[in-house]
Amino acid sequence: DGGITQSPKYLFRKEGQNVTLSCEQNLNHDAMYWYRQDPGQGLRLIYYSQIVNDFQKGDIAEGYSVSREKKESFPLTVTSAQKNPTAFYLCASSISGQGAWNEQFFGPGTRLTVL
Amino acid sequence: GNSVTQMEGPVTLSEEAFLTINCTYTATGYPSLFWYVQYPGEGLQLLLKATKADDKGSNKGFEATYRKETTSFHLEKGSVQVSDSAVYFCALSPSLRAQKLVFGQGTRLTINP
Repeated sequence: DGGITQSPKYLFRKEGQNVTLSCEQNLNHDAMYWYRQDPGQGLRLIYYSQIVNDFQKGDIAEGYSVSREKKESFPLTVTSAQKNPTAFYLCASSISGQGAWNEQFFGPGTRLTVL
Repeated sequence: GNSVTQMEGPVTLSEEAFLTINCTYTATGYPSLFWYVQYPGEGLQLLLKATKADDKGSNKGFEATYRKETTSFHLEKGSVQVSDSAVYFCALSPSLRAQKLVFGQGTRLTINP
């Protein structure tokens, strides 16, 4: 079955440590995204990538980094510079290109707790 | 700029009640509009969409009509079920070419039997 997988589902880290969240898709989508969700708030875009080896900052990129070395993978690193990293992180993907109406398909999310 | 505003939650209804969740937007140009649903502990799923004015999106008994004159995209369902309990997000995409979605803050819906 095609879809997006995120691992792990729950992640605990000590303050000051970097942590990498995994996102893999087998939908053959060109575009991938990372969002952060906090209680009572909508999703906020961290980074997105429209093609392999290229990515752009979203609205809240500070303290995060990404890479896009393969079409199917878009890992997110939460660095120690992120001041408030505890949140629910969602990865998404979509078909890219003219005529696409931008439905984004979401993974199940990773809940990160920094102790 | 682009923004989406949803009605404050949480919303609690009894089974078979009529549901309306309000959504208004601010955008330049001609955005596409979406409703996504998030069930407990899961990621978001697209519920319905509309890409131009007066389009009606529908799915699983839910409907929303793209109203350009009122910049609104309210979600409605005639008879809700307990299984509809979830968080609902209204979102816009600034254009068919744009790859970024702008989300509202979400509305938590609880349906009691």
